[in-house]
Amino acid sequence: DAGVIQSPRHEVTEMGQEVTLRCKPISGHDYLFWYRQTMMRGLELLIYFNNNVPIDDSGMPEDRFSAKMPNASFSTLKIQPSEPRDSAVYFCASRLSGMYTEAFFGQGTRLTVV
Amino acid sequence: GQQLNQSPQSMFIQEGEDVSMNCTSSSIFNTWLWYKQDPGEGPVLLIALYKAGELTSNGRLTAQFGITRKDSFLNISASIPSDVGIYFCAGQPFYGGSQGNLIFGKGTKLSVKP
Repeated sequence: DAGVIQSPRHEVTEMGQEVTLRCKPISGHDYLFWYRQTMMRGLELLIYFNNNVPIDDSGMPEDRFSAKMPNASFSTLKIQPSEPRDSAVYFCASRLSGMYTEAFFGQGTRLTVV
Repeated sequence: GQQLNQSPQSMFIQEGEDVSMNCTSSSIFNTWLWYKQDPGEGPVLLIALYKAGELTSNGRLTAQFGITRKDSFLNISASIPSDVGIYFCAGQPFYGGSQGNLIFGKGTKLSVKP
């Protein structure tokens, strides 16, 4: 398997624009996570899905952030409108259900909002 | 909510020295995981611990799952320059059932002087 695939790797956008980040989890994994990483806050969980259903979105900072998982092999994280403070690296991760499995991370999307 | 306190935040060591870092929490965890993140990449799993008291090695790395289920440590022996990076602990909270979420520590940034 190619692992968790995220796109784009880098995104530079102007404040106010809509940004969409994409993730393809490892085939067969039924949990998908979106994390944000900044120097100040470290790795923060934004939202996670189980079998395509959002389970916990309490980490989503504001209504400007939304995430969807229309099927088992694809998820998006959207920011609309984007702001400079959204600049960060966004990671997607996936794992199998059960108590004894670990999460695998994608390479991340580095977002810069100017 | 659950939090993981990871220490130290950063370490500057000489090549060949041993390294020790740990994570503690006031909550109980089912699983402890240790990840390493290289610059520009996503975290990669180093060691997974699934049982209280478990001591596991992976080459020069050794990690233990605390007997109280509230802590874990990672040791790196005879450090080399490629050990440079950010090390994260992560734990799966214990709710008495299978839970998908992983809580991450804020990371330990390791620098190794040749």
